[in-house]
Amino acid sequence: SQQGEEDPQALSIQEGENATMNCSYKTSINNLQWYRQNSGRGLVHLILIRSNEREKHSGRLRVTLDTSKKSSSLLITASRAADTASYFCATEIRSGGSNYKLTFGKGTLLTVNP
Amino acid sequence: KAGVTQTPRYLIKTRGQQVTLSCSPISGHRSVSWYQQTPGQGLQFLFEYFSETQRNKGNFPGRFSGRQFSNSRSEMNVSTLELGDSALYLCASRRQGSYGYTFGSGTRLTVV
Repeated sequence: SQQGEEDPQALSIQEGENATMNCSYKTSINNLQWYRQNSGRGLVHLILIRSNEREKHSGRLRVTLDTSKKSSSLLITASRAADTASYFCATEIRSGGSNYKLTFGKGTLLTVNP
Repeated sequence: KAGVTQTPRYLIKTRGQQVTLSCSPISGHRSVSWYQQTPGQGLQFLFEYFSETQRNKGNFPGRFSGRQFSNSRSEMNVSTLELGDSALYLCASRRQGSYGYTFGSGTRLTVV
């Protein structure tokens, strides 16, 4: 079963606009990560935010985490056509002892039109 | 440094056959995880290996198995293939601790 659910499922914007994707999850997490996937290729790690952090930046990316609402958002500023991809949130949760498991949502398909 | 290498990139098999996929992690990464990605189910966790031991397992039938060698390279095997096993199989490795995972480009398996 999916731990994380992204919203919206698809997003289409113009180059230069900002793109915001949301992720909700169900159980307590160790950290939350965002990944990008281009057209059926491997996933690329974008950013990781720990459960005790509220906001994190990396270049044009801004991630927020609200553990009370069990939700996160990914903001991509000044989007480019090259940002067109599927974006996944993934939650790392404890699976027993000191072991953790990464569980993915179904993703948001972002299309940036030139 | 070299990334995560998965071989082969593409594979076509017949129902009932078995298949073995290979994953070489980034040097120094001892944790290797496997995922199955399909349009309907999305990314589903298969299993994770650390220092040759299976540490986590997802909800897949026993036809799916894996192992990890002393050099951290990992293989996964699917026996008695079914049409529904057609998917992109992704392998990921990471350092110990709270770090992101580095994924390979995947193996696209088609069962006919």
